[in-house]
Amino acid sequence: EAQVTQNPRYLITVTGKKLTVTCSQNMNHEYMSWYRQDPGLGLRQIYYSMNVEVTDKGDVPEGYKVSRKEKRNFPLILESPSPNQTSLYFCASSLWGNTEAFFGQGTRLTVV
Amino acid sequence: GIQVEQSPPDLILQEGANSTLRCNFSDSVNNLQWFHQNPWGQLINLFYIPSGTKQNGRLSATTVATERYSLLYISSSQTTDSGVYFCAVAIIMDSNYQLIWGAGTKLIIKP
Repeated sequence: EAQVTQNPRYLITVTGKKLTVTCSQNMNHEYMSWYRQDPGLGLRQIYYSMNVEVTDKGDVPEGYKVSRKEKRNFPLILESPSPNQTSLYFCASSLWGNTEAFFGQGTRLTVV
Repeated sequence: GIQVEQSPPDLILQEGANSTLRCNFSDSVNNLQWFHQNPWGQLINLFYIPSGTKQNGRLSATTVATERYSLLYISSSQTTDSGVYFCAVAIIMDSNYQLIWGAGTKLIIKP
């Protein structure tokens, strides 16, 4: 089944403790991106990647890192999480940037 | 930048009713998608519809790109249709294809 898989689905962590949210797609898509969704602010793009080893900042990249060492994986790294990074996070992939985007199940992160 | 406006913001209907959700966008776009965010937060693809009309069961969508709007039709609503419906348009911005999202229509279907 074609899908985008994020893990974990839910995570509660403490301020400053490094964490990684994994994202994997099995559709051989070139383009992957991360979004965060906050009440009243909608979905905002954090980082995107057009291909292996090619990543760039979206609208709200501060406090996040990403890597794209393989086409299928695009992990989101929070080196030192803070409470303002409490949010619902989505990974997305598409064949190219302007083709149909598919989203993971979401990761609900709480930083205390 | 491009503006994406959805209406109505909220909609409460009885099971079995039909509804029409609208998405207006202020500039030309590369594509348009409709999503359903269920009460558990998952984003579910409904339609990828840069132009024309598509149907999938009780749902159908029409995009008129030249007039910059899209409509999502839900017929014979069921309680499982409840949630928030988003339209998102894709644009090229600084060599990045970005999805620009509407604020959503919150739909509640009462049994």
